[in-house]
Amino acid sequence: GESVGLHLPTLSVQEGDNSIINCAYSNSASDYFIWYKQESGKGPQFIIDIRSNMDKRQGQRVTVLLNKTVKHLSLQIAATQPGDSAVYFCSEGSNYKLTFGKGTLLTVNP
Amino acid sequence: EAGVVQSPRYKIIEKKQPVAFWCNPISGHNTLYWYRQNLGQGPELLIRYENEEAVDDSQLPKDRFSAERLKGVDSTLKIQPAELGDSAVYLCASSVAGTAGGQQYFGPGTRLTVT
Repeated sequence: GESVGLHLPTLSVQEGDNSIINCAYSNSASDYFIWYKQESGKGPQFIIDIRSNMDKRQGQRVTVLLNKTVKHLSLQIAATQPGDSAVYFCSEGSNYKLTFGKGTLLTVNP
Repeated sequence: EAGVVQSPRYKIIEKKQPVAFWCNPISGHNTLYWYRQNLGQGPELLIRYENEEAVDDSQLPKDRFSAERLKGVDSTLKIQPAELGDSAVYLCASSVAGTAGGQQYFGPGTRLTVT
């Protein structure tokens, strides 16, 4: 079946550096993609989404890039802060259903 | 604005016992979702409601799981009887109808441990 996967299970960065979290997807018919952040003991929190007709979208300190040719999605976090430490999930949305990958654990070192 | 509320936050039961989880979505959100999240994994959809109608329950193990949303607001997810493999975090999410899966707001989840 279709799946959403991530390249790396963990990522460690220094405070102030930029972070890049990558994700591969397999469903070429996906309409949109969403990045979620999940802190320990909490539910996933929406960060940013992007429609399949776009290749870049920017938010506050975050940018999502979509490469449909190679079915690749990335989340860039600028000036990473300790509060950014969490598990990040990319998800693929189609037909009102979200399919999540396993997630990447981002650790920010002071 | 209050977020999605779930209770209990934690539940420990013995296998073969029943258990129920409750969810109160964000006011005005007609779409409600139940997800199961196993340790180290992303959430997996169990069921989606549009108002009181279950429009997608294809991933719900119907032999032991049931859910209801009688008045189109609060929802209850039940497991009877529970098995060891049901240990997970059960997440409830809600969204405004018509947002096609995006902008789902999640509750804190109920962590279930089956012994």
